[in-house]
Amino acid sequence: DAGVIQSPRHEVTEMGQEVTLRCKPISGHNSLFWYRQTMMRGLELLIYFNNNVPIDDSGMPEDRFSAKMPNASFSTLKIQPSEPRDSAVYFCASSLIGGNTEAFFGQGTRLTVV
Amino acid sequence: GDSVTQMEGPVTLSEEAFLTINCTYTATGYPSLFWYVQYPGEGLQLLLKATKADDKGSNKGFEATYRKETTSFHLEKGSVQVSDSAVYFCALSDLQGAQKLVFGQGTRLTINP
Repeated sequence: DAGVIQSPRHEVTEMGQEVTLRCKPISGHNSLFWYRQTMMRGLELLIYFNNNVPIDDSGMPEDRFSAKMPNASFSTLKIQPSEPRDSAVYFCASSLIGGNTEAFFGQGTRLTVV
Repeated sequence: GDSVTQMEGPVTLSEEAFLTINCTYTATGYPSLFWYVQYPGEGLQLLLKATKADDKGSNKGFEATYRKETTSFHLEKGSVQVSDSAVYFCALSDLQGAQKLVFGQGTRLTINP
């Protein structure tokens, strides 16, 4: 299995632009998570889906952030408009529903907003 | 809500030294506990896990025991190597339905030859 695949690996954009991050979970997994990692705040859960349905989006920082999962093999995290404080590494992870199972992480997208 | 607290880093050791990274948690239920490792430029990888009290997780010479009485899950290794240099995250997963992982702040470990 190729693991969780995220794209792009690196993104540099100007303030005010729309940014879309993409994630392909491991085939057969039915939970998907979006995390943000910064030096100041560590790893924060932004949103997670079970069976393509958003379950908890309480970590989404504000209305500029939105996430979708149109099918079991694809998810997007969109920031519109982007701001410099959104600069971070964004990780996608997938797992099987059930608390004992581990989450597998992608390699992350490093976003820089200038 | 649930939370995880790790010892602050960074931690710097010499090769073959003994390692302990402390982790304590707060949870309303009976969570599963995990240690993840992040190597430079990569995503997180599961290092070990424990799903119930007194369970010991182990992998690559690392061990951690789920201690319900002290709400702890300390990571230990008897003899570290330069290749163990990474950031280590303690995490819990709520078994009561939320299922999401809650992470500690991470501990950066550097091993000098």
